[in-house]
Amino acid sequence: EPEVTQTPSHQVTQMGQEVILRCVPISNHLYFYWYRQILGQKVEFLVSFYNNEISEKSEIFDDQFSVERPDGSNFTLKIRSTKLEDSAMYFCASRGGGQDQETQYFGPGTRLLVL
Amino acid sequence: AQTVTQSQPEMSVQEAETVTLSCTYDTSESDYYLFWYKQPPSRQMILVIRQEAYKQQNATENRFSVNFQKAAKSFSLKISDSQLGDAAMYFCAYANDYKLSFGAGTTVTVRA
Repeated sequence: EPEVTQTPSHQVTQMGQEVILRCVPISNHLYFYWYRQILGQKVEFLVSFYNNEISEKSEIFDDQFSVERPDGSNFTLKIRSTKLEDSAMYFCASRGGGQDQETQYFGPGTRLLVL
Repeated sequence: AQTVTQSQPEMSVQEAETVTLSCTYDTSESDYYLFWYKQPPSRQMILVIRQEAYKQQNATENRFSVNFQKAAKSFSLKISDSQLGDAAMYFCAYANDYKLSFGAGTTVTVRA
């Protein structure tokens, strides 16, 4: 069964450093998302991406964040200068195609720790 | 912005028994989707069940079923014949257009 994959599973970085989180969505999906979950809190929407551009972004998604689909398979989230409060689980999700087109399928997440 | 409310932070159920998780949401839309996701200790988000708002029939997936009350904006999840593997955090989510809005989650523990 197709699935969303994410790398790395864990990332530890120093405050101020840049990180790139990678995702490979399900191959025939057209819509891509990033969410984050701070430990003990609810899952929060960051950004949606369709047709090579951002469809919507939340207030969390400020100028420190960017997304890119550099090729036909990868979807990346870059945090340019990490802050302590960026420590969270980051989930990639994708949807689109067929009868189940409204369902978002999540990757296993990347656990980011900023020191 | 849509608001999703899960009023039960924790629920406990005896193995083989039934537990119902509540969820309410706020929207002015008539066409939308609702989901329940399960998050085990690994923290992966796993789809449990989905419901289209235009369908009156309640969705069912094996031991999982929902009670969708559109007028009341209520979307509860029933887990029947609970198993130890059902222990997890359960999130209710609302979808319209581009994004999911999640509730705060309900932690389900299953007693052997």
